[in-house]
Amino acid sequence: DADVTQTPRNRITKTGKRIMLECSQTKGHDRMYWYRQDPGLGLRLIYYSFDVKDINKGEISDGYSVSRQAQAKFSLSLESAIPNQTALYFCATSAVGQGGRETQYFGPGTRLLVL
Amino acid sequence: SQKIEQNSEALNIQEGKTATLTCNYTNYSPAYLQWYRQDPGRGPVFLLLIRENEKEKRKERLKVTFDTTLKQSLFHITASQPADSATYLCALPMDSSYKLIFGSGTRLLVRP
Repeated sequence: DADVTQTPRNRITKTGKRIMLECSQTKGHDRMYWYRQDPGLGLRLIYYSFDVKDINKGEISDGYSVSRQAQAKFSLSLESAIPNQTALYFCATSAVGQGGRETQYFGPGTRLLVL
Repeated sequence: SQKIEQNSEALNIQEGKTATLTCNYTNYSPAYLQWYRQDPGRGPVFLLLIRENEKEKRKERLKVTFDTTLKQSLFHITASQPADSATYLCALPMDSSYKLIFGSGTRLLVRP
């Protein structure tokens, strides 16, 4: 079974709708992240959480919110979707290793289309 | 703020040749740098990490170098195969919190 799972894998929605993307992990990591990826722009950090009670904004958090329901679950919500939120969304987890180095483990992604 | 620059043009090479990809950063030298592989429609997968005090790191056909004077890392794939075709991202810690920032990646195409 995959260590980091995302649901749904694909989603088409209309402008103004509220949607939620979910992420679950079995790696036992404390840190979880949400990124979006657009062609030519690479991965951009939306929100991150270093433990269950910790939520932090990334570089592009406007229009998004998150919830860390448990160590293993981190969901991303678009309160009122707009077309420029059409992108590929990735969840990632990490644990800080020896010397403070961290490696991130990504889910398979959710392809979102906002019409 | 720290920025990462990777060649946005695809690298197209013949099978069996060595592929060399470049990652440049603009600001402070990070404590380490990582390389990831991403296949179309999939999440990035970690490949290698190199620390600032290491000049070179190898893993099978992969080799990474880290030059803090040039603010550059090179990623080499020797004896390249069509299965190596993918986009390769470099990443480094953003700040003392160890969050990573990622380059936009370079696409590698290996022709049979």
